[in-house]
Amino acid sequence: NAGVTQTPKFQVLKTGQSMTLQCAQDMNHEYMSWYRQDPGMGLRLIHYSVGAGITDQGEVPNGYNVSRSTTEDFPLRLLSAAPSQTSVYFCASRQQGKWANEQFFGPGTRLTVL
Amino acid sequence: GNSVTQMEGPVTLSEEAFLTINCTYTATGYPSLFWYVQYPGEGLQLLLKATKADDKGSNKGFEATYRKETTSFHLEKGSVQVSDSAVYFCALSEENYGQNFVFGPGTRLSVLP
Repeated sequence: NAGVTQTPKFQVLKTGQSMTLQCAQDMNHEYMSWYRQDPGMGLRLIHYSVGAGITDQGEVPNGYNVSRSTTEDFPLRLLSAAPSQTSVYFCASRQQGKWANEQFFGPGTRLTVL
Repeated sequence: GNSVTQMEGPVTLSEEAFLTINCTYTATGYPSLFWYVQYPGEGLQLLLKATKADDKGSNKGFEATYRKETTSFHLEKGSVQVSDSAVYFCALSEENYGQNFVFGPGTRLSVLP
């Protein structure tokens, strides 16, 4: 049971480049989400999904796209990277249907946009 | 909207000192409250949680009590260890808020031997 996995662990992009951050979970969780972590700002929700084929925007969705074709995978796409997207990105998952369920986090992807 | 406020630190303590990290929240309904811990280079992991007023969450010597009257969920530990050095996040989740988590800014704790 690997939990939540993320790849890559580190990435450097140039402004305007695109890339996809991968996230997978093997716990059969319906709810998955993407956060970015910036100094002094905690974690901010980018996008989330309550099941395959269903996604919605979080607090800071601009510049990011997501899709959810399977229960296991929830990739995050940066369409045209900007320096403001330099951050650490975390994927998380949990059981849906009860808001007290804990979220399980991946190890993170540290992204630098030059 | 919902929000979480916590002391940002950094907090530096000597080993075996008493720890308190304050956390207060704003919510429209009746949230569940959480403390997460992030060790260097890792993701967040759940430390403890409480789902209703007056509940006390506890784990690894850490405790926090859900206080509805003061909208607080302060984290305490009686005797910290060097291995407790990490960043601690207070968070809430509420059914009326789409069940999404709202995190505080995090508090960095350094424990010196």
